[in-house]
Amino acid sequence: QLQLQESGPGLVKPSETLSLTCTISRGSINTSSYYWGWIRQPPGKGLEWIGGIYYSGSTYYNPSLQSRVTISVDTSKKQFFLNLNSLTAADTAVYYCARLSIVEMATHHDFWGQGILVTVSS
Amino acid sequence: QSVLTQPPSVSAAPGQKVTISCAGSSSNIGKNYVSWYQQLPGTAPKLLIYENNKRPSGIPDRFTGSKSGTSATLGITGLQTGDEADYYCGTWDSSLSAELFGGGTKLTVL
Repeated sequence: QLQLQESGPGLVKPSETLSLTCTISRGSINTSSYYWGWIRQPPGKGLEWIGGIYYSGSTYYNPSLQSRVTISVDTSKKQFFLNLNSLTAADTAVYYCARLSIVEMATHHDFWGQGILVTVSS
Repeated sequence: QSVLTQPPSVSAAPGQKVTISCAGSSSNIGKNYVSWYQQLPGTAPKLLIYENNKRPSGIPDRFTGSKSGTSATLGITGLQTGDEADYYCGTWDSSLSAELFGGGTKLTVL
């Protein structure tokens, strides 16, 4: 069964850049019809989609975060990455990576990582 | 405020049935398939329903999904205390070229 695992710092200072890694195991990253996505959840709040990347490098981003977000991929390491800059306290959240199935008009996230709590504070 | 609107909370007794609605627009639910997720306290979301009404392997048929126009509904029958969780709808928005999630609905099994 496919597994995803987030890694990165748990504490980041305001105005700095958050860098997270998602490592895939027990499966392939080079799979057609699947993107690899990032989703976040502020404490006590709902889910917010950040964006997704195909193994070829094609990306989609949430328009509300697009100016601050970069998602990249390293297929040789079966990893994809999230960079979010100009951090504020509002970026404090649990960050999840997940596999996103995109087939014509149908999308869904079928495998999720356990999540990593990132706190933005000085 | 989410583009997809869900009721903040619903409740029902064990053994009963509950429905959770998800209202969108012509650029998202009206044009694309809907998925549903269950998030138990302290855990990652789990896919419950995809392509409006399909269940992944291992999801019991107590969970059903439907879509009509620009709205979707998740139904849960034979409620159990273990069903207490937050439930989220999700879909693609063709105008934004982005995935959307509803604001979430907290289910309480009384």
